[in-house]
Amino acid sequence: NAGVTQTPKFQVLKTGQSMTLQCAQDMNHEYMSWYRQDPGMGLRLIHYSVGAGITDQGEVPNGYNVSRSTTEDFPLRLLSAAPSQTSVYFCASRPGDTGELFFGEGSRLTVL
Amino acid sequence: AQKITQTQPGMFVQEKEAVTLDCTYDTSDQSYGLFWYKQPSSGEMIFLIYQGSYDEQNATEGRYSLNFQKARKSANLVISASQLGDSAMYFCAMRELHSGYSTLTFGKGTMLLVSP
Repeated sequence: NAGVTQTPKFQVLKTGQSMTLQCAQDMNHEYMSWYRQDPGMGLRLIHYSVGAGITDQGEVPNGYNVSRSTTEDFPLRLLSAAPSQTSVYFCASRPGDTGELFFGEGSRLTVL
Repeated sequence: AQKITQTQPGMFVQEKEAVTLDCTYDTSDQSYGLFWYKQPSSGEMIFLIYQGSYDEQNATEGRYSLNFQKARKSANLVISASQLGDSAMYFCAMRELHSGYSTLTFGKGTMLLVSP
């Protein structure tokens, strides 16, 4: 099994550009989430989804959009990138309401 | 206020010694869970151990154990017989309800360096 797959692994954007970070999981997990990791800040929850068609905001949702049209995919969209969105982004999933999260390898985004 | 507090930004330990990484949490929920993850320099997040709030015994997984003190709201990770490969960032996290669903909140992490 591939687990949780994130693409791209690295991306450089200019301020104001848009992009989508892709996340796919092949474990049939209902719950999927996006975190950002910044030095000294730990991981902070951006958005999460508990199933197809259901999403909700986490701690730091501003500047990001998500949708969940299938169980497998949970893309994260930056509509107008800002330097403050320079970070490492992790997608994670879990099978139900409890249990540990399974993480992707992370995507490093730099906004100039 | 922080929900998960890791007070040790960095810890040093010699190989084969035991080390305790501190974690305190803040929640008003009766049902919650506590997790520890390891992040080596390669960047991936590795699940280590879990403790449920109703679990009466401390969780153990090989060389990892979780010292759960519910009244003090602490969930310290104990690594016995440290190895060089244990050098990494360690995150404590808590599962609690958010808008009716469970989400995971992470602490800021502790960097552990194991020396020969």
